[in-house]
Amino acid sequence: AQSVTQLGSHVSVSEGALVLLRCNYSSSVPPYLFWYVQYPNQGLQLLLKYTSAATLVKGINGFEAEFKKSETSFHLTKPSAHMSDAAEYFCAVSEGSGTYKYIFGTGTRLKVLA
Amino acid sequence: EADIYQTPRYLVIGTGKKITLECSQTMGHDKMYWYQQDPGMELHLIHYSYGVNSTEKGDLSSESTVSRIRTEHFPLTLESARPSHTSQYLCASSELRQGGETQYFGPGTRLLVL
Repeated sequence: AQSVTQLGSHVSVSEGALVLLRCNYSSSVPPYLFWYVQYPNQGLQLLLKYTSAATLVKGINGFEAEFKKSETSFHLTKPSAHMSDAAEYFCAVSEGSGTYKYIFGTGTRLKVLA
Repeated sequence: EADIYQTPRYLVIGTGKKITLECSQTMGHDKMYWYQQDPGMELHLIHYSYGVNSTEKGDLSSESTVSRIRTEHFPLTLESARPSHTSQYLCASSELRQGGETQYFGPGTRLLVL
């Protein structure tokens, strides 16, 4: 069975500091992995996705994530936090094409301090 | 850019009322989904559809019902709203592309039942 664990429900960083949001998954088949961002009172916006091509995936707004099979991880990073990055971030796993099923993590709320 | 719309964005309604949450997408996606999201929590799939005249229940039991008469339209109905239905409801649709399937989300409907 698939599952997703996001470590840290709340993360605070200073503006300009490195952002690291952690996501670990379990899947019985090679997974597709996603990061979504949700701003207050909004839906989810796709940041990036891993679909078995390059292990380092670049997304929008300067974010990137690295798929590490040995660690079953897909952590999200950004070199320099901006105030506008404050939002909720969700990691999700899917067992690939043809399935409806996404499993979402519980989310990490990112706070950026001035 | 995904074009998926939800109305209303906010709804406050009394117990016992019948409500319909609208979701439309202009991308021609076959698959559509409804998620329920409580504040600070992960998303739970409550309904999905593979196409016209196809509807299935998701992982989280819900008293709501859905219909899919047209590809672009996937409304969700609560016959008799209760305070326990208070939540945010997110609609999504997905396309199958090389490299897998990606879900795109609408802005959500925040429902408050008094």
